[in-house]
Amino acid sequence: AQTVTQSQPEMSVQEAETVTLSCTYDTSESDYYLFWYKQPPSRQMILVIRQEAYKQQNATENRFSVNFQKAAKSFSLKISDSQLGDAAMYFCAYRSPQGAQKLVFGQGTRLTINP
Amino acid sequence: DSGVTQTPKHLITATGQRVTLRCSPRSGDLSVYWYQQSLDQGLQFLIQYYNGEERAKGNILERFSAQQFPDLHSELNLSSLELGDSALYFCASSVVPGTYDEQYFGPGTRLTVT
Repeated sequence: AQTVTQSQPEMSVQEAETVTLSCTYDTSESDYYLFWYKQPPSRQMILVIRQEAYKQQNATENRFSVNFQKAAKSFSLKISDSQLGDAAMYFCAYRSPQGAQKLVFGQGTRLTINP
Repeated sequence: DSGVTQTPKHLITATGQRVTLRCSPRSGDLSVYWYQQSLDQGLQFLIQYYNGEERAKGNILERFSAQQFPDLHSELNLSSLELGDSALYFCASSVVPGTYDEQYFGPGTRLTVT
C-alpha cells in the first residue's frame, strides 16, 4: 500500500518570503499522480498543484511550484512571496491511476505566515 | 465554490444514533468519493461510487454504508455512532475515474457525537 509522509507538522514564514514544505511517499508503482491540497480555516479542501509522475518537468502554478524527485520519492512544495492568505494546513496526496482512484494523504503541515 | 454540495454542514447527535450525510456532485461528474478527517486518523478514504455502483472501499467501518442514487447524489449512513466517529466527512466528485481527473471536494459535514 502507498504511504505519504509529511515530516513537518508546523512551519512558519515571514510574509513575502519563500517557504518549502516537504513530502515523501512510498510506492512500487511507476506511474502515479501527486497533489498538494490547501485547507484554510474554512476547512474547504482546495487543490493547489498537481504532478504526473511520468513528467520530468516540475509543475508550477503562479507562486506555487514543486520539486519532484522521482528516484528519491520526494515531492516538496515551494511557496514564493508568501501571503497572509497562504496560512493553512497543507496536505500532500498520492493517487494511483489503477484500481481505486482514492487519494492517500499525508498528515499535513500547518503553515503560519508572520506579518 | 467547487460545485459539490454537502448537507448538513453540522450535525450533533448522541452515541448509538444513526445519521445520514448527503452529497451532490458537480454537474456532469459520475464518481463520488467519501473521506473522513479526524484528529486520530487524519484524512482517509472511505468509499467510492461510480455511476451508481460501488467501485472501491477503503477503511470504512461495517456500521457505515453508502449509496449513489440514479440522480448521482450520494448518501453516507453512519449507525450505532460512537464518540470516535466525530469527524469532518468530505465528499468529492470527479467526471470519471480516469487517469487524470481531478477530485473536487465539497465543504464537508462536521459530525459531533456526544
